[in-house]
Amino acid sequence: EVQLVESGGGLVQPGGSLRLSCAASGFTFSSYSMDWVRQAPGKGLEWVSFISGGSDYIYYADSVKGRVTVSRDNAEKSLYLQMNSLRVEDTAVYYCARDRTDSSGYPYIDYWGQGTLVTVSS
Amino acid sequence: QSALTQPASVSGSPGQSITISCSGTGSDVGSYSVVSWYQQHPAKAPQLMIYEDSKRPSGVSNRFSGSKSGNTASLTISGLQAEDEADYYCCSCARSGSKVFGPGTKVTVL
Repeated sequence: EVQLVESGGGLVQPGGSLRLSCAASGFTFSSYSMDWVRQAPGKGLEWVSFISGGSDYIYYADSVKGRVTVSRDNAEKSLYLQMNSLRVEDTAVYYCARDRTDSSGYPYIDYWGQGTLVTVSS
Repeated sequence: QSALTQPASVSGSPGQSITISCSGTGSDVGSYSVVSWYQQHPAKAPQLMIYEDSKRPSGVSNRFSGSKSGNTASLTISGLQAEDEADYYCCSCARSGSKVFGPGTKVTVL
């Protein structure tokens, strides 16, 4: 069974930093690309970042580019999101998600974790 | 990628069919990406309902179907049931791995 368990969320002041983690199990972690997706309270889903299985390809949404860094440790089956210079508008539930590639070579998210809440407030 | 457009809400009576649209441009919903659809119940993680525009993962009811024409993708729920009441998001996925989500549609079963 595929499981994705996020941790590391919490309350942080504006300008602060936080590192989110996602522990994966139930599949060959290194064979899959992964995403971070966030959802502000009462709002829709927002894609944050993508990292390929071997960390060769990394992409970020414009809203977080330059402030966040995604990384992974395939030996530990873990995904990370280092967030710096946090803003009030970064307050959201952050989901770790697994990508699968379809027959046309396009990735799509097939599994999601339960999310971890990040609150940026003074 | 450009922003996607979805109706804020769609409603229907039990047993009816409803369709949720997801409109974009040629650079997202068009020829250079594929669309997936996600269902999200309150306080729950999203769940994949449709991928590659029209394919249904195993375990998802065949009452859910997807299609795409030009720059508009659609999710149809037939035989609407109370458990279908949820938020639905389309997602345009580029071959590179970057993605953009639609704003979401709240489905209400009357």
